[in-house]
Amino acid sequence: DSGVTQTPKHLITATGQRVTLRCSPRSGDLSVYWYQQSLDQGLQFLIQYYNGEERAKGNILERFSAQQFPDLHSELNLSSLELGDSALYFCASSPKRGTSGDNEQFFGPGTRLTVL
Amino acid sequence: QQQVKQSPQSLIVQKGGISIINCAYENTAFDYFPWYQQFPGKGPALLIAIRPDVSEKKEGRFTISFNKSAKQFSLHIMDSQPGDSATYFCAAKVAGNTGKLIFGQGTTLQVKP
Repeated sequence: DSGVTQTPKHLITATGQRVTLRCSPRSGDLSVYWYQQSLDQGLQFLIQYYNGEERAKGNILERFSAQQFPDLHSELNLSSLELGDSALYFCASSPKRGTSGDNEQFFGPGTRLTVL
Repeated sequence: QQQVKQSPQSLIVQKGGISIINCAYENTAFDYFPWYQQFPGKGPALLIAIRPDVSEKKEGRFTISFNKSAKQFSLHIMDSQPGDSATYFCAAKVAGNTGKLIFGQGTTLQVKP
């Protein structure tokens, strides 16, 4: 158990809909990352937040958005869903920058999104 | 474009054998190279990692070899066990004040008893 929690575990929805995925980082971690894992694209970095602020952006679609709240939990919002958005979505967290192991990312169990 | 290429895509090894997975990167702006292990239905778990100023790092049966000039790094699993059967991902962290990881495509390892 990495200490990172994600809800829900599974999500089934229809095209055109909007969903919200939730992540709670490990206690004390300030950074939260979102990744998408699909069979054809592999593990793709989407976005990073550090202590509430966006730090880095990857291949995140405009239909997707994320935020990190004052209690450090994060949400990934996916809208106007398409069949191709079906994937595993992972959240990861890492310690405060400058502390030991701050490069290490600890992944949650993921949310499996199925768009029908 | 920053890329990390991983090979082989799949690997079958006998119990007790050595498993070797290779990765190559195409951009020098990386400052940390982790390997992750993923079991079906689980999230990736950090296995071992190396910085580019080190040529080799060993932790138990797992060793990373790093060749900075060739822009290549590899994972060696000594005395492979059936419990090592999983998917392995190499990754490279973009240098600077970010934790962005670029992952390889993954290698599915099967260790036969």
